[in-house]
Amino acid sequence: QITLTESGPPLVKPTETLTLTCTFSGFSLTTEKVGVAWIRQPPGKALEYVGFIYWDDDKRYHPSLRSRLTITRDTSNSQVVLTMTNMDPADTGTYYCAYSRSESHYNMDVWGQGAMVTVSS
Amino acid sequence: VLTQSPDTLSLSPGDGATLSCRASQTVTNTYIAWYQQKPGRPPRLLIYGASTRAAGIPDRFSGSGSGTEFTLTISRLEPEDFAVYYCHQCGRSPRTFGQGTKVE
Repeated sequence: QITLTESGPPLVKPTETLTLTCTFSGFSLTTEKVGVAWIRQPPGKALEYVGFIYWDDDKRYHPSLRSRLTITRDTSNSQVVLTMTNMDPADTGTYYCAYSRSESHYNMDVWGQGAMVTVSS
Repeated sequence: VLTQSPDTLSLSPGDGATLSCRASQTVTNTYIAWYQQKPGRPPRLLIYGASTRAAGIPDRFSGSGSGTEFTLTISRLEPEDFAVYYCHQCGRSPRTFGQGTKVE
């Protein structure tokens, strides 16, 4: 059974750096043709793509976030880490990590419960 | 850009539902998906490749379409189907989602 759990601070101040950890089980991020996506959702709004990390450590970022965003993996601890610098109130929302694989065309098969992040002074 | 219509669909259990998703540029079928989201819950993958049901998804859900027009059809609404539905494309960078259709 695949599970993912997001963890991190619920509150960050503007200009600070956000670090979120996605801890997963039931798969390995070194297995070919799998990946982990980050998706966020502002309160009451639609889903937004943030970024993606593949089994081979290839990474994709949303162009509007690329200058502030880093996604890394810790395969020994089954974790993916999202780091976003210079946080702004517009970055407030629930951040989800999700398991993805080539068989479903790299769509998000299994999602974590999400971590709510508020950016406020 | 993915534009979904309508924004809200008011229906009753047992009704059929047709949700539309229009892309601003042609998207290969392979890269269109639909997700369902209930309040306070993460999204759930329903359909990928425009028409392939994800594991465990009932056959009352079906997807169709090509080019720039895609459709999610729910043949007979069950009480648990009342939710928000998002279309998603992962064929062009960056990935994008529609704004959602609420089925109430």
